[in-house]
Formats: sequence, structure tokens, C-alpha cells
Amino acid sequence: GEDVEQSLFLSVREGDSSVINCTYTDSSSTYLYWYKQEPGAGLQLLTYIFSNMDMKQDQRLTVLLNKKDKHLSLRIADTQTGDSAIYFCAEGYGNQFYFGTGTSLTVIP
Amino acid sequence: EPEVTQTPSHQVTQMGQEVILRCVPISNHLYFYWYRQILGQKVEFLVSFYNNEISEKSEIFDDQFSVERPDGSNFTLKIRSTKLEDSAMYFCASVGGGVRETQYFGPGTRLLVL
Repeated sequence: GEDVEQSLFLSVREGDSSVINCTYTDSSSTYLYWYKQEPGAGLQLLTYIFSNMDMKQDQRLTVLLNKKDKHLSLRIADTQTGDSAIYFCAEGYGNQFYFGTGTSLTVIP
Repeated sequence: EPEVTQTPSHQVTQMGQEVILRCVPISNHLYFYWYRQILGQKVEFLVSFYNNEISEKSEIFDDQFSVERPDGSNFTLKIRSTKLEDSAMYFCASVGGGVRETQYFGPGTRLLVL
């Protein structure tokens, strides 16, 4: 459960959609999460998806889960400059959580 | 909205000194965690704590580290004889509420060991 991989960087133009991808290895994960970290700040829980779901939508955020491929994605619609941050996916099972390397999203005005 | 708080926000210490990082989890939560994030690296799990004892710990959490819940509200991480490589951001998290396994993180303590 420790190999959670993400691409390191993503740049998008303001108003476009952003898609941040994550792959994980442990199929026994119960929940999968997306966290946002702004510079100098802590981790803010954005959304989560239970492992038996395929999709979850929460306002501008859409989470897609492909359990067969162990692939998780976060789509941010109408990306704004305030969305610039590092986004971490994480998997949790039992009493442990594993985080990805984080994707640094830069939104270009 | 309830939140996890951590103190201090920043700590500078000399190598070899002991530090205690403090956390106040969300009041009705039962599971508590410490993580660290070395600058530019991923968030790493250190330890989880439930029912006044350690549930799980990672390889990083060796004898140099200890955790304690000294009263009903605080959850502390003690680092004995700090090393340069202990410099990192330390995050506390707690779990509870409607979704049992959703973690809520504190803002972190930035520790710098000189």
C-alpha cells in the first residue's frame, strides 16, 4: 500500500479543466482521498471516494475511480488561480494512510 | 467547523535537544496520527494512536520518537535527541465523525534542527 504515484507538475489556463491523476497499488484500500496543500499550510481534505464507487461529484470537483486499473483522478472544472496548490491523493485501509508524491498545479491567468 | 490545532507553528532547535510537538485533535475523534513531510517530499506516516496506545507505527518511528495523550485533549509527539534530518513539517491528524476513516489534518509544525 505504499506505492501511490502521481505526476509532479501540471499547468493549466484559468477557466480550463484540470485533471490530476494518481495510481495506487493496494486493492484493499477502503477509501481514497484528495487533499490540497497551499504554500506553507497544512493538508486540506477536498474529497474522498469509497472504494466501491466509480465516481463522485462535489461542485467543481469530480473524482473518478477505476478499481481494475487502480487509477484515481481528480477533475477540477473551471480552474481558478486560487486552485494553484499541491494536490495529494491518499489511500487508507485499516489504520494506515499512504500519500502520493503530490502534483503541483499551476493555474496561469 | 471544528478543526485540529497544532502548536507551535514553528520551532527551531539545536541538534541533540528534545522537542515536544503538540496537537489538539477534534474533540469527539478517537484515532490520532502523526505524519511528517520533509521539504519537497511526500507526506510520510509516522504513527497512529487509539485507546491510549500506539496502533501502528512506521519504520521511521524508532526509539527516538514517542507519543502521548496526557489529558483528554492534547496529543503530543516527542522527539528525543533531534538530528538534522528531523527537520520537516509535522502534521497531526484525527479521525472520527460521520466518515470513520476520513482524516482531518492540523496546519502543521515546521521543525528546523540546526
